[in-house]
Amino acid sequence: EPEVTQTPSHQVTQMGQEVILRCVPISNHLYFYWYRQILGQKVEFLVSFYNNEISEKSEIFDDQFSVERPDGSNFTLKIRSTKLEDSAMYFCASSVLVNYGYTFGSGTRLTVV
Amino acid sequence: AQRVTQPEKLLSVFKGAPVELKCNYSYSGSPELFWYVQYSRQRLQLLLRHISRESIKGFTADLNKGETSFHLKKPFAQEEDSAMYYCALSGSRDDKIIFGKGTRLHILP
Repeated sequence: EPEVTQTPSHQVTQMGQEVILRCVPISNHLYFYWYRQILGQKVEFLVSFYNNEISEKSEIFDDQFSVERPDGSNFTLKIRSTKLEDSAMYFCASSVLVNYGYTFGSGTRLTVV
Repeated sequence: AQRVTQPEKLLSVFKGAPVELKCNYSYSGSPELFWYVQYSRQRLQLLLRHISRESIKGFTADLNKGETSFHLKKPFAQEEDSAMYYCALSGSRDDKIIFGKGTRLHILP
């Protein structure tokens, strides 16, 4: 069964540093998403991406965040200057159709120290 | 505003007993409803969608528009059902899914 792949599984970074979280969505999927889950809290929507542009973003997704699909397979989330409160599990997801339900990756645990 | 409410943070049920995980939603249109499951140390997995009306691993969920509920049910719990369960909603105008806070289901032997 096809999977969404995320790398790395765990990243530790110093506050103020830039991080890039990588995702390889399922190849025939057209819609891509990033979510995050702070420990003990709910899964929160960050951004959706379709047709090479952001289709929606949440208020969490401020100017420090950006997404890219540089080569038609990878889908990346960049945090320019990490803060302690960015520590969370970040999930990538993809979907073949809107509202069809997503396939999630296994997540990247980001720890900002 | 869109909202998904799962009132129970933790639900403990004996093996073989019926399970009901509650989910209520708030949405001004006709939403798509989902249940996702996250087993220990694994990724979020789609368990079922209300539009497909299917039963997965013995679980079913019925959309009740009058009560704005989408409770997840299983008649006989199994130990391997222990996991975190998330109810989720997607609006017909949006393509994003929003999640409830989740209910941890613990099946007791």
